[in-house]
Amino acid sequence: GAVVSQHPSWVICKSGTSVKIECRSLDFQATTMFWYRQFPKQSLMLMATSNEGSKATYEQGVEKDKFLINHASLTLSTLTVTSAHPEDSSFYICSARGPGTSGAKNIQYFGAGTRLSVL
Amino acid sequence: AQSVTQPDIHITVSEGASLELRCNYSYGATPYLFWYVQSPGQGLQLLLKYFSGDTLVQGIKGFEAEFKRSQSSFNLRKPSVHWSDAAEYFCAVGAVGGYNKLIFGAGTRLAVHP
Repeated sequence: GAVVSQHPSWVICKSGTSVKIECRSLDFQATTMFWYRQFPKQSLMLMATSNEGSKATYEQGVEKDKFLINHASLTLSTLTVTSAHPEDSSFYICSARGPGTSGAKNIQYFGAGTRLSVL
Repeated sequence: AQSVTQPDIHITVSEGASLELRCNYSYGATPYLFWYVQSPGQGLQLLLKYFSGDTLVQGIKGFEAEFKRSQSSFNLRKPSVHWSDAAEYFCAVGAVGGYNKLIFGAGTRLAVHP
């Protein structure tokens, strides 16, 4: 149980175009999903918290207009990188907060990640 | 502020040897603690978690971790490492309230020699 699917796993795009990444919880409902960015050989950097039916909460320094997040259903959140540039090239990982109460609310189930290369 | 420190950036062990990965946290109350593993080019997989109760927790793939409040530590151990354990390991502490975010350490990269 608690499977998170992320698509695509790898995308190459031209500078100036937009790219959409999908994150789906396959066997549970996720009211909260998270989007991370990971640079090579570094830890995860939280970009934003996505809540179903409301606006995403962005971490300090993350451009809201650059990284559009939509969480339209209890099983799907999307991250759109708008007007992508080479510096946006990175590994993007989503996670979904698991069901449950207390400590279980902190468990996050991760997608396999999306490698974005902007030419 | 909450933080997680993984002092060892890179560890190399021989296959069959024991392993201990260190994790120290800073948190005001009893923390929710996690260990995740990441294989190259992949997402993160939950190895084990600590919420309360028995301070020695068992996880998947033969891993265990011990919560020591006095040392603010949550070290990950495995008695005999397999080549397939080579990966990046992240310790994390769960924030209480708000969106229940996870705060990750910098990670420890484990290499296994045959």
